[in-house]
Amino acid sequence: SQQGEEDPQALSIQEGENATMNCSYKTSINNLQWYRQNSGRGLVHLILIRSNEREKHSGRLRVTLDTSKKSSSLLITASRAADTASYFCATDGRRDDKIIFGKGTRLHILP
Amino acid sequence: GAGVSQSPRYKVAKRGQDVALRCDPISGHVSLFWYQQALGQGPEFLTYFQNEAQLDKSGLPSDRFFAERPEGSVSTLKIQRTQQEDSAVYLCASSLAIRDGSYNSPLHFGNGTRLTVT
Repeated sequence: SQQGEEDPQALSIQEGENATMNCSYKTSINNLQWYRQNSGRGLVHLILIRSNEREKHSGRLRVTLDTSKKSSSLLITASRAADTASYFCATDGRRDDKIIFGKGTRLHILP
Repeated sequence: GAGVSQSPRYKVAKRGQDVALRCDPISGHVSLFWYQQALGQGPEFLTYFQNEAQLDKSGLPSDRFFAERPEGSVSTLKIQRTQQEDSAVYLCASSLAIRDGSYNSPLHFGNGTRLTVT
């Protein structure tokens, strides 16, 4: 089963534009993480936000978390061709050891 | 080591064959996860180890799937009597963290083993 649900499923934008992806989840969490996956590779950790945090920045990445709505967003500013990848949110619940991933957003940056 | 290493990178098995997939985590990493990823989907949780203890195996799809980590380092995922629906990429991830109610360490993933069952 998958806890997180990202939207949109796919997103194409021009290089230089900002990309926003959303994640919704179902149960209470400790932390929420975002990962990137390039085709044929493993996932790479981007950023972690704790359940008591509302916003976090890392370089061109901005993550927000709204625990009342059980949702998070990932903003990539000034997108580059190298940002083309799939992006996944992942949550770890308060009651178990699983880290559960969503289905992902496939981001394509157009030159 | 430099990162999480998985072998083989690709595996083709005939239906009914047994396969064994290996994961070498980052040295010193306590936690180890196995995931199954179908094409175009997110990783699906299979099982989780803390050192040599398998703390959660609720994601294993059937009793044909078995995972072990006998010395708390290398892990093997074994699939017996493979079926076509087992075709997927199997990802291993490790983390420094010990689960204590607050999981704050990121997962480090290998590049996966692509299993094709014919």
